[in-house]
Amino acid sequence: AQSVTQPDIHITVSEGASLELRCNYSYGATPYLFWYVQSPGQGLQLLLKYFSGDTLVQGIKGFEAEFKRSQSSFNLRKPSVHWSDAAEYFCAVALNNDMRFGAGTRLTVKP
Amino acid sequence: GAGVSQSPRYKVAKRGQDVALRCDPISGHVSLFWYQQALGQGPEFLTYFQNEAQLDKSGLPSDRFFAERPEGSVSTLKIQRTQQEDSAVYLCASSLGGRTHEQYFGPGTRLTVT
Repeated sequence: AQSVTQPDIHITVSEGASLELRCNYSYGATPYLFWYVQSPGQGLQLLLKYFSGDTLVQGIKGFEAEFKRSQSSFNLRKPSVHWSDAAEYFCAVALNNDMRFGAGTRLTVKP
Repeated sequence: GAGVSQSPRYKVAKRGQDVALRCDPISGHVSLFWYQQALGQGPEFLTYFQNEAQLDKSGLPSDRFFAERPEGSVSTLKIQRTQQEDSAVYLCASSLGGRTHEQYFGPGTRLTVT
């Protein structure tokens, strides 16, 4: 069955530290891949997307993600986290006119 | 430009009441989506419109849920005879393309059924 998994429910990092949020998918073919961020009381904002081509994708707010076909993964990274990055992050996967979201990873940033 | 807007932002309903949630998509966006987001979960698909046509309503949890987009712009999600399990945030999103294209989300309507 098609699925998208975010293994980490909650991650805490110190401000200035690096960040990696994991996303794995189970699909028969390579889907389109997205990362969204949701601040409390807000809707989802698109950070970046991968459709094809270069497997390292740059997004807004200094985020990047790398598509690894062999691992069926699309992990989100940021070299230096800011306190304002504290939010919920959702990976989304789309194929054949179907889009599914992971359960999300909540990021806490320590001062 | 203006993003996706939703109203009301918060709604409290007594069990058994009907509610109507409104979504104004980005102008020119062909596709419109409704999602239900339970606390601590990702958005779950409810239904999808392309212009005024409802192409997929497979995610609607029961026949108490009904959505419409009569003129291909504004959409309304209606929930009849609300139940406590309907309490959630209802998100609307719009897109220039179909379901595999990037979607732009509104702030959501938080529905609490008491």
